[in-house]
Amino acid sequence: AQTVTQSQPEMSVQEAETVTLSCTYDTSENNYYLFWYKQPPSRQMILVIRQEAYKQQNATENRFSVNFQKAAKSFSLKISDSQLGDTAMYFCALVGTSYDKVIFGPGTSLSVIP
Amino acid sequence: DSGVTQTPKHLITATGQRVTLRCSPRSGDLSVYWYQQSLDQGLQFLIQYYNGEERAKGNILERFSAQQFPDLHSELNLSSLELGDSALYFCASSDQTGIYNEQFFGPGTRLTVL
Repeated sequence: AQTVTQSQPEMSVQEAETVTLSCTYDTSENNYYLFWYKQPPSRQMILVIRQEAYKQQNATENRFSVNFQKAAKSFSLKISDSQLGDTAMYFCALVGTSYDKVIFGPGTSLSVIP
Repeated sequence: DSGVTQTPKHLITATGQRVTLRCSPRSGDLSVYWYQQSLDQGLQFLIQYYNGEERAKGNILERFSAQQFPDLHSELNLSSLELGDSALYFCASSDQTGIYNEQFFGPGTRLTVL
């Protein structure tokens, strides 16, 4: 079975500071993909970053970067220079390439404080 | 704006009823995915269609069904509705077959079952 755990239900960060959101997962697949999605108060789901498990290099997208530790099955998201618009629910997700399902974590609610 | 449209935005109905949710994918996208987001179950993948054919199946109940039409729009049919079916239903689309590819989400349909 595949599982995704986000151990921080809520977090807050001061504007312009850096915050790290945790995600751990479990899968028996050799090849898989990991995602971070953002869901702001508008409820729109937005892809933040995507990581292929066989790629060693950590993915980055502007102020967003991941720390992918394959052996530890950890996939944390770092947000640098936090902005008010980063206030949202953040979901970690796992997709195995031979297991056609998306498994989402329970989410972390992030508040950016002015 | 992701380019994915969903109608209606809100739907209120009674237990035992049947409803149809509609999704139009981004222009050129052949894959359509349906997701359910509820307080109890979190985010769950329901089903994927690719160019009119069912491609992958997730936690979709037998009371639910979906189809994708020749013009690539998709409908999710929910029948014998129960209180627990109250949720936000998302549609997403992509131009690839693999569920691990980047998906673009619509704004969702909020279903309330009374």
